[in-house]
Amino acid sequence: DSGVTQTPKHLITATGQRVTLRCSPRSGDLSVYWYQQSLDQGLQFLIQYYNGEERAKGNILERFSAQQFPDLHSELNLSSLELGDSALYFCASSWDRGRSTDTQYFGPGTRLTVL
Amino acid sequence: DQQVKQNSPSLSVQEGRISILNCDYTNSMFDYFLWYKKYPAEGPTFLISISSIKDKNEDGRFTVFLNKSAKHLSLHIVPSQPGDSAVYFCAASGDAGNNRKLIWGLGTSLAVNP
Repeated sequence: DSGVTQTPKHLITATGQRVTLRCSPRSGDLSVYWYQQSLDQGLQFLIQYYNGEERAKGNILERFSAQQFPDLHSELNLSSLELGDSALYFCASSWDRGRSTDTQYFGPGTRLTVL
Repeated sequence: DQQVKQNSPSLSVQEGRISILNCDYTNSMFDYFLWYKKYPAEGPTFLISISSIKDKNEDGRFTVFLNKSAKHLSLHIVPSQPGDSAVYFCAASGDAGNNRKLIWGLGTSLAVNP
């Protein structure tokens, strides 16, 4: 158990809809990262938040947005969903602002299926 | 453009033998490399890392070798155990200013047969 929790575990929705994925980092961790893993794809970095502020952006679509709240939990919002958005979405956390030497601890992921 | 490549999607070895997982990278600015292990229905877990100032790092049964001139790193698992069966991801990062991002390979699925 990494200490990072993600809800829900599974999500099935239809094209055009909007969903929210939630992540609670490990106790004491200030950075939260979101990743997408599509079929036959590696982990694609989406976005990172550090202590409530956006720190780094990766390959995140404009239809997607995220935020980190004062209690440090984070939400990833996916809107106008398309079939291609079906993927595993992982959240990770680390203590520091994002130096790569900080170990990232991953949650179990949310599997999103868009029908 | 895949900056971190794991060219073998899968690998099968016998229990007790050595497992060698390979990773190639293209960006010469990468200076820190990590291996993560992932079991089904779980998130990746950190395994071992290496800085570019070293060419080898060892942690128990796991050793990572870095060949900077060839832009190649490998993970050796000796001896391999059935519990090592998982997907292994190679990741790399470099100093891109104030922040670093991890660039991930596609993973190699290791099966250790009893």
